Amino acid sequence: QVQLQESGPGLVKPSQTLSLTCTVSGDSINSGGYYWSWIRQHPGKGLEWIGYIYDSESAYYNPSLKSRVTISLDTSKNHFSLRLSFVTAADTAVYYCAREMGYCGGGGCYRQYYFDYWGQGALVTVSS
Amino acid sequence: QSALTQPASVSGSPGQSITISCTGISSDVGDYNYVSWYQQYPGKAPTLILYEVTNRPSGVPYRFSGSKSGNTASLTISGLQAKDEADYYCSSYTSTSVVFGGGTKVTVL
Repeated sequence: QVQLQESGPGLVKPSQTLSLTCTVSGDSINSGGYYWSWIRQHPGKGLEWIGYIYDSESAYYNPSLKSRVTISLDTSKNHFSLRLSFVTAADTAVYYCAREMGYCGGGGCYRQYYFDYWGQGALVTVSS
Repeated sequence: QSALTQPASVSGSPGQSITISCTGISSDVGDYNYVSWYQQYPGKAPTLILYEVTNRPSGVPYRFSGSKSGNTASLTISGLQAKDEADYYCSSYTSTSVVFGGGTKVTVL
C-alpha cells in the first residue's frame, strides 16, 4: 500500500521560504511512470495544483506560482520536496503531496491527470 | 487558469440519486477525457472516486458514476447514503496542466 506523508514547519514568517517534504513508502519514487505532485487548499476553499516532478530533471509548475516554486526529488531518501519562496498570508493553506498516475508506452511516459494517492496534508500558516 | 464551475451545494434524501455538475471550457473538459472526481471529508485528504470521466478505482462503489456532455462533466451518486455527505471536487486537464472545481458540499437530508 502506497503511503505519502508530509513534514515540515507549520509556521513560516512572511517573505521567507516555505519548505515541505513528502516521504513515500510502499513504492519507489524512482520506479517511473508517476508524477510526484504538490497541491494546496486554502482554508475553507478549493484545491490548487502547485506542480510536479517526474524525475530529477523534469518539473512543471502552475504558471501562477512558477516564479516562487521549486520541487525536487531525493531518490536516496525516497522523498520529494516543495520550496515556495517569498511567502505571504495568501500562501496559508493545507499542503498535500500526491501521486499522479502516468502511462508508459510507445517509447514514452504520459500524464493521466488524476491523483490516486494523497498525503494527509500539512497546514502551513504564514504569520509574523 | 479559472477553476471549473461546480454548484456550491447539492442535497438529497437517503436512497435518492443526486448529480453534481462540473463545467469547464472546450480546451479542458470539452476536448479531453481527463476528468476526475474526489471526495473529501472534513479535515481529511481528498480521495479519488472517478478518473477519466467514468472509471472507478478499485474499492469505489458502483453507486458513483460519471459522464460528460460537451464542456460539462457530471458525477452521479445513486442510492445516496449518510456516509456520502462530504465535499466533492472535479478536476481536469488544462493547457497549463491541472485545474480543480470549487467544490460541492453534498448534504444527506
